[in-house]
Amino acid sequence: QVQLVESGGGLVKPGGSLRLSCAASGFTFSDYYMSWIRQAPGKGLEWVSYISSSSSYTNYADSVKGRFTISRDNAKNSLYLQMNSLRAEDTAVYYCARDAGELLGSYYFDYWGQGTLVTVSS
Amino acid sequence: EIVLTQSPGTLSLSPGERATLSCRASQSVSSSYLAWYQQKPGQAPRLLIYGASSRATGIPDRFSGSGSGTDFTLTISRLEPEDFAVYYCQQYGSSRGLTFGGGTKVEIK
Repeated sequence: QVQLVESGGGLVKPGGSLRLSCAASGFTFSDYYMSWIRQAPGKGLEWVSYISSSSSYTNYADSVKGRFTISRDNAKNSLYLQMNSLRAEDTAVYYCARDAGELLGSYYFDYWGQGTLVTVSS
Repeated sequence: EIVLTQSPGTLSLSPGERATLSCRASQSVSSSYLAWYQQKPGQAPRLLIYGASSRATGIPDRFSGSGSGTDFTLTISRLEPEDFAVYYCQQYGSSRGLTFGGGTKVEIK
């Protein structure tokens, strides 16, 4: 069965950095686009970034552009999010999610991890 | 960026009643690239509907989606106890920016 397990969250000071990981299993990871989506405490969902199956294409929300970098290692079935220059407003649960389309991006999400909490506070 | 506005913010209904949730887009969503998700407290979202009206795998037929252009609707024909949750719409018509609505909470009356 498809499993996505995020890790790497925690407490970080404003201006600091953090790297999130997402370990994927139960499907051919290299065939799927992947995304990061976040949810601030008590708030709605916000798409953060996506990456194509071969890493050829990436895209970011304006709110994180220039500060966050998405990447993947298909040999390790892993997705990453490098977060720099963190701000209080980046505090959220970060989910990794699988794109529903195989090989081509569909840009909606059929499997989600359970999320990892990032707290940015001094 | 396409802004999605969901209404109402909260819907108070009893089990067995019909729920109608609205999602309005600030501009036309191309090819009805609209999805709906359900989220329960402490859980990740679950895909319900994609392409505005296609049910995802394993989703009961009491859930249905409709609409096109800028106006979309999620209908739950008869609410079951497990359906009380928050529902989000998401547009994916523009790959440059994927956006979610603010959510509608369906609560027990």
